[in-house]
Amino acid sequence: AQRVTQPEKLLSVFKGAPVELKCNYSYSGSPELFWYVQYSRQRLQLLLRHISRESIKGFTADLNKGETSFHLKKPFAQEEDSAMYYCALKDTDKLIFGTGTRLQVFP
Amino acid sequence: KAGVTQTPRYLIKTRGQQVTLSCSPISGHRSVSWYQQTPGQGLQFLFEYFSETQRNKGNFPGRFSGRQFSNSRSEMNVSTLELGDSALYLCASSLIPGPSYEQYFGPGTRLTVT
Repeated sequence: AQRVTQPEKLLSVFKGAPVELKCNYSYSGSPELFWYVQYSRQRLQLLLRHISRESIKGFTADLNKGETSFHLKKPFAQEEDSAMYYCALKDTDKLIFGTGTRLQVFP
Repeated sequence: KAGVTQTPRYLIKTRGQQVTLSCSPISGHRSVSWYQQTPGQGLQFLFEYFSETQRNKGNFPGRFSGRQFSNSRSEMNVSTLELGDSALYLCASSLIPGPSYEQYFGPGTRLTVT
């Protein structure tokens, strides 16, 4: 079955530290993956998609088909990065979301 | 541009009742998707409507239904409410249907079933 796993419910780091939010997927075929983010008191919004190969707010994510992973990385965390992060997989014509990881960045 | 709006924002219902939630997409967006968010199951896809037609449906019982009007506004209905239907219901709109395109989420409707 198609599945997205985010193994960490909470990730706490200090400002300036590197961040890696883990995402593993199970999919038979060529996957299309996304990261969505929800800041406190704001709506869920798209952060980036692997097809675009873009860097948004300093975050990047590389699709590793061998390890079936799509980890989200940032070299130097900022306090404003504190939020809930969801990894999502396109399955046929819908999105399957992981359970999310809360990132806390301490000053 | 105004964002996606959902009404009502909060709702308390009793088991066995039915409920209708409303979603108004961003102007010009014709695709509306609905999601259920619970602490246990996370975000789960309910259905997507485009041009008044249901394009896709998730694995939810037939008690969950929806529709879309000619102005792209969408409603979802849950009949014979169960305690497990307590959740945050999110809708999202996009210019083009399908998850490959950026979806803009609303603030959600918090449904509590007692």
